[in-house]
Amino acid sequence: DVKVTQSSRYLVKRTGEKVFLECVQDMDHENMFWYRQDPGLGLRLIYFSYDVKMKEKGDIPEGYSVSREKKERFSLILESASTNQTSMYLCASSLVGGAGAYNEQFFGPGTRLTVL
Amino acid sequence: KQEVTQIPAALSVPEGENLVLNCSFTDSAIYNLQWFRQDPGKGLTSLLLIQSSQREQTSGRLNASLDKSSGRSTLYIAASQPGDSATYLCAVSGGSEKLVFGKGTKLTVNP
Repeated sequence: DVKVTQSSRYLVKRTGEKVFLECVQDMDHENMFWYRQDPGLGLRLIYFSYDVKMKEKGDIPEGYSVSREKKERFSLILESASTNQTSMYLCASSLVGGAGAYNEQFFGPGTRLTVL
Repeated sequence: KQEVTQIPAALSVPEGENLVLNCSFTDSAIYNLQWFRQDPGKGLTSLLLIQSSQREQTSGRLNASLDKSSGRSTLYIAASQPGDSATYLCAVSGGSEKLVFGKGTKLTVNP
């Protein structure tokens, strides 16, 4: 079974702190994703990586950066945390699909981040 | 821009009932559609993935259908149980590795 793990289930940080959220997958997936989930807004894609050191902005990249130095690990960085970044953060991974076919995304357990 | 809608937002049924959850999408040019389950405070669990060339997929008591031309998918749950209580999300892939999600249907199955 695919396993996607996230470094913390709950995290409390202060405004202005630099925050690192880590995600690791154990199935050699090329693609990795970071989402945030907020009530009434659903899941929104922050960043996507399709290979080591490769990244692509999602729908809401402002205030975030990412790092992918190894295939299995994808980090989300909040350069200067703000209260409006309080949210549930979800990491996912998938294989690269064949022509015209894109594969299942598998999700981690999520990190509930509170910024005070 | 692709939009995914799930109606109703919440559904409450008695145990044992067969039920259908609905998902609609605005752009029929999709590559696949995925149904997920999310328990409170947890991540998403993949239930079923339907490729664009398929009409349905089954897993145990779950059956998902896809009608691309009308922009609709349904998730059928047979003989519902209290353990099925969760939020169900559908998501579509429209030509990239990225998914567009609906906001989910919160299902409560009452004993």
